[in-house]
Amino acid sequence: DIQMTQSPSSVSASVGDRVTITCRASQGISSWLVWYQQKPGKAPKLLIYAASSLQGGVPSRFSGSGSGTDFTLTISNLQPEDFATYYCQQSDSFPLTFGGGTKVQIK
Amino acid sequence: QLQLQESGPGLVKPSETLSLTCAVSGGSISSSDYYWGWVRQPPGKGLEWIGTISFGETTYYNPSLRSRVTISGDTSKRQFSLKVSSVTAADTAVYYCARHVLRLHFMDVWGKGTTVIVSS
Repeated sequence: DIQMTQSPSSVSASVGDRVTITCRASQGISSWLVWYQQKPGKAPKLLIYAASSLQGGVPSRFSGSGSGTDFTLTISNLQPEDFATYYCQQSDSFPLTFGGGTKVQIK
Repeated sequence: QLQLQESGPGLVKPSETLSLTCAVSGGSISSSDYYWGWVRQPPGKGLEWIGTISFGETTYYNPSLRSRVTISGDTSKRQFSLKVSSVTAADTAVYYCARHVLRLHFMDVWGKGTTVIVSS
């Protein structure tokens, strides 16, 4: 199985800040990396697929980059509705595996 | 607009079988562009992919659960189902069904989730 490691596990930030979350795969996955946002009590929401392709309807302040084993999710100009937990998922091969999550909290 | 809705018992006894159904509305369930999957989330923990079915009836399971999991589909009823046998407290989780995009292997539409507690 491909192991996905996210860092940090939590980050405190203020509205307007730029936040960067990292995801590392245990082996190369090309650009087969997905990012989700999850708010408490809600289902995950797809943000980005294929490492950098923004899902329709997702604000452009969200961006993704990376390939191989190292990936980044960046939230520019953090908004109040962005405080949530973010998960990466490798989409290279079965079994699909997720990172442990990064909680973005209000500073 | 495609919607998915999970249903099933919220409480299951240890050693019994957990059974959930996902009803699909507002879109085709038999499109060759999509698979249909299950993901779970134990309380306070992260996401775990359980498995996926295509309506060519190909199934893919997480090896960690393969011996206990069955996913099946019924296009006539526009639904797919999950069974997990011999459950323990470790199977307590929110269970989500989701549409799984073929070849790209991500979930783009999710149900709201249903909580299943394993307890006697």
